[in-house]
Amino acid sequence: DTAVSQTPKYLVTQMGNDKSIKCEQNLGHDTMYWYKQDSKKFLKIMFSYNNKELIINETVPNRFSPKSPDKAHLNLHINSLELGDSAVYFCASSQDSGGNNEQFFGPGTRLTVL
Amino acid sequence: GDSVTQMEGPVTLSEEAFLTINCTYTATGYPSLFWYVQYPGEGLQLLLKATKADDKGSNKGFEATYRKETTSFHLEKGSVQVSDSAVYFCALSDQGAQKLVFGQGTRLTINP
Repeated sequence: DTAVSQTPKYLVTQMGNDKSIKCEQNLGHDTMYWYKQDSKKFLKIMFSYNNKELIINETVPNRFSPKSPDKAHLNLHINSLELGDSAVYFCASSQDSGGNNEQFFGPGTRLTVL
Repeated sequence: GDSVTQMEGPVTLSEEAFLTINCTYTATGYPSLFWYVQYPGEGLQLLLKATKADDKGSNKGFEATYRKETTSFHLEKGSVQVSDSAVYFCALSDQGAQKLVFGQGTRLTINP
């Protein structure tokens, strides 16, 4: 029974296109996150939502727009894709936004922009 | 701002060797400290954590102790197995910042 799921697992697209990645968690958590992992495995937070409200936006270009229709879902829409957007994107969730809480990660979406 | 520095990889060891992966941090407050592990093709999983100074986190034979005086959280295991091959991430979470800050990751390969 998957805790944090993401779709699609792989996404290959052309520069300039618009694409979305979906994330769902069935853990009953209040807080969800998007992380970007670059080709050197460096992992950096992009966004965080708590109960559908944005609480962290780490100076991500506004081509990236997260949307949380309910607290179990956090989708990521990317407009006008650029080569530098190629990366693995991980969704995660935690019980709440407290610093001690374990974050549970999805399997990742590998985005390749050609 | 907060930051985490891990030892450079990759690290290659033989089975049953002793493992240490160094991790030091910089934080303005009193962070919680974590080790996450990423197996090939998978997302990250929590390996262990410590929430205050002198706490020791442990799991699956791995240990790390929160050392405030040296701002360190080094990961150790006495006898590694081939199945421990993965990328290991040290991370901190400052209560006020409400986010995880990761080190750059250390790729570990264990040869039989």
